[in-house]
Amino acid sequence: EPEVTQTPSHQVTQMGQEVILRCVPISNHLYFYWYRQILGQKVEFLVSFYNNEISEKSEIFDDQFSVERPDGSNFTLKIRSTKLEDSAMYFCASSVGLENTGELFFGEGSRLTVL
Amino acid sequence: AQSVSQHNHHVILSEAASLELGCNYSYGGTVNLFWYVQYPGQHLQLLLKYFSGDPLVKGIKGFEAEFIKSKFSFNLRKPSVQWSDTAEYFCAVNARAAGNKLTFGGGTRVLVKP
Repeated sequence: EPEVTQTPSHQVTQMGQEVILRCVPISNHLYFYWYRQILGQKVEFLVSFYNNEISEKSEIFDDQFSVERPDGSNFTLKIRSTKLEDSAMYFCASSVGLENTGELFFGEGSRLTVL
Repeated sequence: AQSVSQHNHHVILSEAASLELGCNYSYGGTVNLFWYVQYPGQHLQLLLKYFSGDPLVKGIKGFEAEFIKSKFSFNLRKPSVQWSDTAEYFCAVNARAAGNKLTFGGGTRVLVKP
């Protein structure tokens, strides 16, 4: 069964460093998402991406965040200058399209620890 | 803005007991409703979904949920739980007019004792 894959599974970084989290969505999916879950808190929407551009972003997704689809398969989340409060599990997800809006397929997550 | 509330943060029960997890959302328009499950160490998986039609939906592993529009609720149920149902359960809502994203509830951790 096709699945969303994420790398790395766990990354530890120093405050102020740049981090890139990578995702390979399911191949025929058109919408891509990043969510995050701070330990003990809700799963929060960060950004959605369609047709090579951001379609929606939350207030969390400020200027330190960016997303990119550098080739036909990868979807990346970059955090330019990490802060302690960026420590969280980051989930990538993809969906087929509008007719299946909301049925997202999630990756296993990338745990980011900022020291 | 849409929001989702799950009333129970933690539930502990024994095998064969019945489970009901509450979920309420705030949005007046057309919504799609979902329950996702996250087993320990695994990713979020779809349990069931409601788009339209019969408000009682059946999902995988014997779970079902009932959409009650007048109550803005989408409660999850299972008549008889197993130890393997130990997981965190998330209710999620997509309000079609509010953008192409899911809004999650805070999650309910369910521990089933053998």
